[in-house]
Amino acid sequence: AQTVTQSQPEMSVQEAETVTLSCTYDTSENNYYLFWYKQPPSRQMILVIRQEAYKQQNATENRFSVNFQKAAKSFSLKISDSQLGDTAMYFCAFTRFNQAGTALIFGKGTTLSVSS
Amino acid sequence: KAGVTQTPRYLIKTRGQQVTLSCSPISGHRSVSWYQQTPGQGLQFLFEYFSETQRNKGNFPGRFSGRQFSNSRSEMNVSTLELGDSALYLCASSEMGGSSKNIQYFGAGTRLSVL
Repeated sequence: AQTVTQSQPEMSVQEAETVTLSCTYDTSENNYYLFWYKQPPSRQMILVIRQEAYKQQNATENRFSVNFQKAAKSFSLKISDSQLGDTAMYFCAFTRFNQAGTALIFGKGTTLSVSS
Repeated sequence: KAGVTQTPRYLIKTRGQQVTLSCSPISGHRSVSWYQQTPGQGLQFLFEYFSETQRNKGNFPGRFSGRQFSNSRSEMNVSTLELGDSALYLCASSEMGGSSKNIQYFGAGTRLSVL
């Protein structure tokens, strides 16, 4: 069975600093997708970034980038120039490349607090 | 384009009752998935519907059921409510089913409290 582990329950950072959130996963699949979702206190889950496992190049979206290490099954999220609006719970998620469906498997989440 | 809409936002029920939650996907999205979020268990997949058919199911008891209508709107039902069913229920829609590359867009959720 696939599992996703986020080892940092809580993190805090000052505005403008850089922070890295960790995620490891376990799967025997070769083709899959990894995601980071953000859930602010308003609770709306928002996609931050997506990585396709067959692509070696790390995905980037503005201030957000990932470090994808397929052999190590590691998928960390780096947030540069942190902003107050980045305060949220961040979930790492995995889904198989599977015609039978698209169930997301989530980690337990990391609560990130950005302060001024 | 309107996002994923879930109604109601909040529900309070008592043990033994049943409840129905509704989800309207983004226009053009045919796949709808449901997730349960609790502080203890985190986010867990309930089921996925595509073209009115349940295509995938998580590890939940039969008290949890759902359906999808021809307009892709989906409902989930929980019968004989238990205290442990108190949770945030999230619905997500995606443009096409059958390929995990499709991004799931989430609604704001329904907060269910069972007393």
